[in-house]
Amino acid sequence: QQQVKQSPQSLIVQKGGIPIINCAYENTAFDYFPWYQQFPGKGPALLIAIRPDVSEKKEGRFTISFNKSAKQFSLHIMDSQPGDSATYFCAASTGRRALTFGSGTRLQVQP
Amino acid sequence: DTAVSQTPKYLVTQMGNDKSIKCEQNLGHDTMYWYKQDSKKFLKIMFSYNNKELIINETVPNRFSPKSPDKAHLNLHINSLELGDSAVYFCASSQSHEQYFGPGTRLTVT
Repeated sequence: QQQVKQSPQSLIVQKGGIPIINCAYENTAFDYFPWYQQFPGKGPALLIAIRPDVSEKKEGRFTISFNKSAKQFSLHIMDSQPGDSATYFCAASTGRRALTFGSGTRLQVQP
Repeated sequence: DTAVSQTPKYLVTQMGNDKSIKCEQNLGHDTMYWYKQDSKKFLKIMFSYNNKELIINETVPNRFSPKSPDKAHLNLHINSLELGDSAVYFCASSQSHEQYFGPGTRLTVT
């Protein structure tokens, strides 16, 4: 049972484009929704996170949009750069419990 | 300074062997985790542990066991290694919700 579903599996955009990655969750007890960025051979790095009491959060070029009623959240990357090429994971957790991850999106930003 | 470190980075071993992976965090966090990333990049929790509670994912074989000598360390012991154990194993730590991951240990069982 996959509690966090992520799409698309892969995404190619041109430099300056705005890739959007979507996630949907099932467990309404989730109260913390982070996004992680992973480069090849490295560990996942926390990018940005949101709680369900807000609908949007921005940090630099990264924005999370959150729709509690639809149980969906998404990551937008503004003015994407080739250096943003990586695998992105959404995740969710309850309290201070372990993260449940989505299946990942491989993003390629072409110059 | 490295926040969450793991050793070794790579581990190649034969089926049936017993091996350990070490994890250390210098963030002062009170909770540590082990995650497994399979060949399809899917990340799944194996254990979470603080000084009060060990939570074991029910899908983890009992050949895997976490051992914590102190608050800053959570090592992973694996007995009787199998081919299917080949994966990248990540240690993480947290004090609240934010979890910080180590660089991973790539385990290859031949």
